Parts: sequence; structure tokens; C-alpha cells
Amino acid sequence: DTGVSQDPRHKITKRGQNVTFRCDPISEHNRLYWYRQTLGQGPEFLTYFQNEAQLEKSRLLSDRFSAERPKGSFSTLEIQRTEQGDSAMYLCASIERLAGQVPTGELFFGEGSRLTVL
Amino acid sequence: SQELEQSPQSLIVQEGKNLTINCTSSKTLYGLYWYKQKYGEGLIFLMMLQKGGEEKSHEKITAKLDEKKQQSSLHITASQPSHAGIYLCGAGPRSGTYKYIFGTGTRLKVLA
Repeated sequence: DTGVSQDPRHKITKRGQNVTFRCDPISEHNRLYWYRQTLGQGPEFLTYFQNEAQLEKSRLLSDRFSAERPKGSFSTLEIQRTEQGDSAMYLCASIERLAGQVPTGELFFGEGSRLTVL
Repeated sequence: SQELEQSPQSLIVQEGKNLTINCTSSKTLYGLYWYKQKYGEGLIFLMMLQKGGEEKSHEKITAKLDEKKQQSSLHITASQPSHAGIYLCGAGPRSGTYKYIFGTGTRLKVLA
């Protein structure tokens, strides 16, 4: 078990460019989260997947943001037409399969993908 | 919506001193999580508390959840430089949502 893996760890891009982040959760975890964290703040929820289904999205996830988890394994988060305000750490977390609908256990986080928009 | 407030926002202590970090929720907690984060890295799970009055310890770190389940404290005994980092409390999903929410964090620096 190698933990939650995120790629790339760092991305510097120019305003207006598109960027994509990838997350590989722990293999037996069927539930996956994306969070965004800016300096001095706690992580803010972006979206949640159960298998390949995207079950919840935050209003923070504007139409420039899209997340997918096509086969219920890895997930991607794409930001189109990046803006300077998108500069942040993007964190992925996964949680093991649990009975019932709502997760109640520990979230396992990746190391994050830090985005800098110039 | 539920919010988590942490205090203090930052803390500088001398090595060997004890310290306490607090986390207050605007609503009843159905699962309270403590995480530690080093700058630029992901969150490392410390402890989870679910029952009112529950207390858990791991090495020199003790966390408690009050009886009313709206406040938690994290206590570090005999702090060491390795304890430095950002401590975040988190709340598990409530009815109608899958999201976990987090406080803004407490930045701890331990002076050797």
C-alpha cells in the first residue's frame, strides 16, 4: 500500500492555460475527495466521488473546474483558463469502503499538488 | 452550515513546555478528527473522536471531545521540535452531505 498519490506535486502555469491534476487513491478505497487549500486556511471541499459517480460538488467548483473518475480508480481535476486566484494546494483524499452511505472514518490524504498561476 | 473555529491561530513554545489547542464547532459533532500538516505537504491523521467525553492519546498527544460534542482540545505534553507544524481539526459528514469540513488550523512552532 503506497498511500494516496498525487501528480504533479508542483505546477507553475501562466494565466489562461489549462492544468490537470491526477490522484491515485489507496487501491481498496472506493470513495475519493478533492480539496483546495490556500495559505493560512484549512482545506475547502471541492467534490466527492463514490466509485465513478460524482455525488457532491461544492459551489467553489466553478464551470472552469471539472473532475472525473472514469473507472472508479484514479481521478483527475482539470482547471481551464486558470486565474491567479486558482493558485493553491489541491489535495486528494480517499477513504475505505464502509457499510452505509455516509463515510465516517479517517480520510487518507495525498501530498497535494501545488499550483502557481503567474 | 457548520463551522469549526480553532484557537489559538498560532503558538510558539519552548521545547519541553505543554500546550493546548482548541476546536469549537457551531453544531454537534458526529466525528471529530485531528490532523497534522507540515508546510507544503498533505495531512497526517492523528486521532478520531466520536463519543461525548471520549479521550484518546498517542505518544505525547492527547485529544478530548467534550460531553456536548461541540468542542475538542488537543494537548501536547513536553513539546519537541518534531511537534512543529499545523494542527487541523476536522468534522465528519452530517446528514445531507458527504463532505468533511476543517478548521483554519493552528500553527505551532517549538523552540529548541
